[in-house]
Amino acid sequence: GENVGLHLPTLSVQEGDNSIINCAYSNSASDYFIWYKQESGKGPQFIIDIRSNMDKRQGQRVTVLLNKTVKHLSLQIAATQPGDSAVYFCAEKLADNNDMRFGAGTRLTVKP
Amino acid sequence: NAGVTQTPKFQVLKTGQSMTLQCAQDMNHEYMSWYRQDPGMGLRLIHYSVGAGITDQGEVPNGYNVSRSTTEDFPLRLLSAAPSQTSVYFCASRRDQGRYGYTFGSGTRLTVV
Repeated sequence: GENVGLHLPTLSVQEGDNSIINCAYSNSASDYFIWYKQESGKGPQFIIDIRSNMDKRQGQRVTVLLNKTVKHLSLQIAATQPGDSAVYFCAEKLADNNDMRFGAGTRLTVKP
Repeated sequence: NAGVTQTPKFQVLKTGQSMTLQCAQDMNHEYMSWYRQDPGMGLRLIHYSVGAGITDQGEVPNGYNVSRSTTEDFPLRLLSAAPSQTSVYFCASRRDQGRYGYTFGSGTRLTVV
């Protein structure tokens, strides 16, 4: 079947730099995408979402970009802080299915 | 407002034992799910429910049962624990319409020996 995937399993950045976490998906029928953040020992936490009729959505210090042509999703974190260190998951929802499929995750480490 | 509450946080079982992982939410969410999280494999859906009295299988349902007698509670039962069920289990809930972002519990770390 088609799966959500990630380009990079780990990412290390300096505090204050911008971070970009990428996600490749192969299911063209997906109509909704979410980024989650998971800190050690905790459950995933919703960060930002985007529908397939959009190509960009901004939140506080975060931006999600969606490129449906190449089936690519990215999460940009501005001015990365130590508190941003976590595993980040992308998830997709198929248009005809109620549930979400999650990628394996990217571990972001922020160096002071 | 507690969100999604899971108990216990940690559990060790012997092979063949049974147990129930509890999950409760106080947000009046229609949709609830159980996921397991294994290293390098992301979150995989075990069972889900779109409302009280309705449950369905997810990606990896074998060895697990669920029931949804109330909107608030969605327990997960391990019928006969196996070492392959060693994992971290997350319960999550969301509204059925509109945005589909889940609220997750803090997880149950289960070890089967």
